[in-house]
Amino acid sequence: GESVGLHLPTLSVQEGDNSIINCAYSNSASDYFIWYKQESGKGPQFIIDIRSNMDKRQGQRVTVLLNKTVKHLSLQIAATQPGDSAVYFCAENEENSWGKLQFGAGTQVVVTP
Amino acid sequence: GAVVSQHPSRVICKSGTSVKIECRSLDFQATTMFWYRQFPKKSLMLMATSNEGSKATYEQGVEKDKFLINHASLTLSTLTVTSAHPEDSSFYICSARLSSGIRETQYFGPGTRLLVL
Repeated sequence: GESVGLHLPTLSVQEGDNSIINCAYSNSASDYFIWYKQESGKGPQFIIDIRSNMDKRQGQRVTVLLNKTVKHLSLQIAATQPGDSAVYFCAENEENSWGKLQFGAGTQVVVTP
Repeated sequence: GAVVSQHPSRVICKSGTSVKIECRSLDFQATTMFWYRQFPKKSLMLMATSNEGSKATYEQGVEKDKFLINHASLTLSTLTVTSAHPEDSSFYICSARLSSGIRETQYFGPGTRLLVL
């Protein structure tokens, strides 16, 4: 069936380096994508989103890239900080699905000193 | 902006009792809210879509008589776990959909950890 998944379950990054978290999706009808950050014991926190009519969107220290040709989504975090340690989920929304999101499996990012 | 709260943050109850969890959008109105369940180190699993003024839409495999949802106002949805059993122990998270122009983003509450003894 259609799904959203992540390539790497765990990503270890040295403080100050850039992080890249990848996500593959298979639903060609998806038109809206969101990255969430979830710290232990807390709800997901919105990071950045992108619509399918865009290839790139930048926020504060974060950039989301969308490659519709290969159905690939990535989140780049610049100058990773200890506070960036968390699980990151990509989520996709299919057009006309009343806002329902499908979540990927998640990537645990561990920032080392 | 876009703050969603949940109450309680954690609850412990005896098997057979019912537990109500509240989800509130604090600074915006949400005609649609969603309820998720999350097991340790797993992703979020959508349980149901809560629509203000109408019946909730449940995902396949989710018992609607077990998980009662009421979306009484544009800022409040409640999830009641009826006759809770230990297997219902989990982290329950709600989200509220904020529509802003062409963007419709879900903002999540902090979650409620339920432990059924």
